Amino acid sequence: DTGVSQDPRHKITKRGQNVTFRCDPISEHNRLYWYRQTLGQGPEFLTYFQNEAQLEKSRLLSDRFSAERPKGSFSTLEIQRTEQGDSAMYLCASSLDVGWSTGELFFGEGSRLTVL
Amino acid sequence: DQQVKQNSPSLSVQEGRISILNCDYTNSMFDYFLWYKKYPAEGPTFLISISSIKDKNEDGRFTVFLNKSAKHLSLHIVPSQPGDSAVYFCAAVSTGTYKYIFGTGTRLKVLA
Repeated sequence: DTGVSQDPRHKITKRGQNVTFRCDPISEHNRLYWYRQTLGQGPEFLTYFQNEAQLEKSRLLSDRFSAERPKGSFSTLEIQRTEQGDSAMYLCASSLDVGWSTGELFFGEGSRLTVL
Repeated sequence: DQQVKQNSPSLSVQEGRISILNCDYTNSMFDYFLWYKKYPAEGPTFLISISSIKDKNEDGRFTVFLNKSAKHLSLHIVPSQPGDSAVYFCAAVSTGTYKYIFGTGTRLKVLA
């Protein structure tokens, strides 16, 4: 399978703990995105990378959230001192920078976080 | 600020009939628009997109219409099938920022 893969698919943690999610994009894609989705809402933009450079970070993202994409390949999203309000589906997506035939973002299956 | 809006949270359609899903946007810098379909516990999957230089794009049963003056786009599904039952999201992006903004979704139920 050469699609976007995310790990873990589901994480249950206690409030105050740190969690880390990993995303492996489609190999030739240089843009990588993180979104958060809660029930009844659309995917909410968190941040995105072009290669290893983090180009934009949502103003809604608190200092407890950090994302990295070392060497422009896989990416990690870490949430420190989790709160119950962090419970959501965290979606990773990737795309090509050029070749705007469809402009498509390719999404992974998501990582569901439950904070108790 | 909600730059992309889907004002209908749900829609029910009889099998074989047309489904029309609507989306409005506010940012005139958006120059590409996409529709995604999402099943529970899965990531969104791409359906169809349209560039701002066009007003219509068709792919099989799916057609997207863009009305730039009204800042409105719609997705037509003809004929609707029970397997089309899912949540549909519209998204918009500016090629200047590459930041995709999604609407809140419309849950489509196609009745057999």
